[in-house]
Amino acid sequence: QKEVEQNSGPLSVPEGAIASLNCTYSDRGSQSFFWYRQYSGKSPELIMFIYSNGDKEDGRFTAQLNKASQYVSLLIRDSQPSDSATYLCAVNRQTGTASKLTFGTGTRLQVTL
Amino acid sequence: DTGVSQDPRHKITKRGQNVTFRCDPISEHNRLYWYRQTLGQGPEFLTYFQNEAQLEKSRLLSDRFSAERPKGSFSTLEIQRTEQGDSAMYLCASSTEGTGSKNIQYFGAGTRLSVL
Repeated sequence: QKEVEQNSGPLSVPEGAIASLNCTYSDRGSQSFFWYRQYSGKSPELIMFIYSNGDKEDGRFTAQLNKASQYVSLLIRDSQPSDSATYLCAVNRQTGTASKLTFGTGTRLQVTL
Repeated sequence: DTGVSQDPRHKITKRGQNVTFRCDPISEHNRLYWYRQTLGQGPEFLTYFQNEAQLEKSRLLSDRFSAERPKGSFSTLEIQRTEQGDSAMYLCASSTEGTGSKNIQYFGAGTRLSVL
């Protein structure tokens, strides 16, 4: 079982629709959860982070965390063609001095006109 | 705040050669991380520093890989006797120390290595 699992996609949504991206993780001790956006050939760019169960909204983006079910999701409302990218889910379990992100393989999102 | 800077952006080398990459973190960040990303995969953790101390290394980091951060500022990642399997994007990230939002890692643009 991979530590962080994502559907590789592509997930295709029409412009203006809601895109829903999901991620599950195996380590119950994970404390911090991140969504990064990565355009082809570029480096990851932070979109959202969440630490507590529930929803966190920032503009068109909403992150949802359910620690009991070990899943994190990202909703993108009013999807735009510029949202077309790979979305990476990452988790962090900080133990002592250790602090590293474990990433999923990413979900490729395509927003169609 | 000029962001995380990596140099060079691209490196093409022949198998068996040594290469060195540099990373300059965000100035107030005392933590620095190296990751490697291959096509179709998420970044994989290689190592991290808190100030000048290298606190964790992945088992992915073979003996041919070495990283330093001598003054707690910039860091270098050296790969000796490169192999074609080393071809990847090498990403550097930095963060402050602490929990919560202080622990957010910001990535540089990466160094793309091609080993011929």
